[in-house]
Amino acid sequence: AQSVAQPEDQVNVAEGNPLTVKCTYSVSGNPYLFWYVQYPNRGLQFLLKYITGDNLVKGSYGFEAEFNKSQTSFHLKKPSALVSDSALYFCAVRVTGANNLFFGTGTRLTVIP
Amino acid sequence: EAGVVQSPRYKIIEKKQPVAFWCNPISGHNTLYWYLQNLGQGPELLIRYENEEAVDDSQLPKDRFSAERLKGVDSTLKIQPAELGDSAVYLCASSRTGTGQETQYFGPGTRLLVL
Repeated sequence: AQSVAQPEDQVNVAEGNPLTVKCTYSVSGNPYLFWYVQYPNRGLQFLLKYITGDNLVKGSYGFEAEFNKSQTSFHLKKPSALVSDSALYFCAVRVTGANNLFFGTGTRLTVIP
Repeated sequence: EAGVVQSPRYKIIEKKQPVAFWCNPISGHNTLYWYLQNLGQGPELLIRYENEEAVDDSQLPKDRFSAERLKGVDSTLKIQPAELGDSAVYLCASSRTGTGQETQYFGPGTRLLVL
């Protein structure tokens, strides 16, 4: 069975500091991994994805994520946080050959001015 | 390029009443998804369409939920009758195809409150 874990419900970081939002996964095949961001009263916005190739993936708004197969992780990172990055972040996994996305429970990021 | 459009954005109804949600996917996207998002949770798939065909509806509570995508473009999700536990956000998403590599793009969602 596929699953995604986001171990932190809440992450607080000071503006200008680096941020990390953690994600680990469990799948029975090769994973396709996605990060989405959700602002209040809005749908999910796509940030980035890992399909194959380079383990470091760069996405929108300066975000990046590193795929680590041995640790089954796909942590989201940004070198310098902005107040406008404050939102709810979701990690999702799709197994090759399947078409459903399995989402984590989300991590609320708060960037403190 | 316009994004995924959903309406209404908000709906308040009394229990046992029917309700319907509408979704217009991104132009050219053959695959359409309906997700349910409960408060504090990630979205969960209800049904997936490839063109007009519902290819995965295993998570759709068929006793009260129904969906259609008659011309392979717009889709409607219906609940009849609604229960208190149906209060949630209903998200529609689309992708160009249903292959695993394709990115799903989400609409703003319909927030349903059942009283």
